[in-house]
Amino acid sequence: DVVMTQSPLSLPVTLGQPASISCRSSQGLLYSDGNTYLNWFQLRPGQSPRRLIYRVSSRDSGVPNRFSGSGSGTDFTLKISRVEAEDVGVYYCMQGTQWPYTFGQGTKLEI
Amino acid sequence: EVQLEESGGGVVRPGGSLTISCAASGFTFSDAWMSWVRQAPGKGLEWLGRIRSGITEYAAPVRGRFSISRDDAANTLLLQMKSLRIDDTALYYCTTYRSSTNFNYWGQGTLVTVSS
Repeated sequence: DVVMTQSPLSLPVTLGQPASISCRSSQGLLYSDGNTYLNWFQLRPGQSPRRLIYRVSSRDSGVPNRFSGSGSGTDFTLKISRVEAEDVGVYYCMQGTQWPYTFGQGTKLEI
Repeated sequence: EVQLEESGGGVVRPGGSLTISCAASGFTFSDAWMSWVRQAPGKGLEWLGRIRSGITEYAAPVRGRFSISRDDAANTLLLQMKSLRIDDTALYYCTTYRSSTNFNYWGQGTLVTVSS
């Protein structure tokens, strides 16, 4: 299975300041169709997982543009340009290239 | 509007069985790849299995114990769980996630507690 490793696991931030989460995969995530299926999900207490980013850098509909994704191969990053109070939660990277799909351990963002 | 609603969770003894359901609406269910994902208390998200075009695939921790099926006439996804263990205690989500499309919807989850 592809192992997804996130860092940091806990991320204290200040409102209005940037934040960055790293995700590394144990194998390259480029699929045979030329796409890299690396996603970022946000999980808030009492809510279901919300995908923020798909295929490394594409934002899902309704996701604020302060969220951005980048990376290639085995190294990926989620950035929040200016953290807002509603961003508190746990963030997961997830690979959808190789079955079984796998998530990182999660990064807890706290103000 | 796409909706996914899980149901059937509850308390079950170790070694017991339980089947949970996911009722889907707002899309052509029979065309959709469907998956189950869970989150154990205090733990991260874990993909359990998926069903697509009559084919089912499972992650190692549940292979041989869990079975995914679907009733396309009733727009319902099922997860049959056997030989349940304490560490199967989790919130179970169904999802339409499929890598090659943007069709990504999640239910609110149903809680399964395995306890003696």
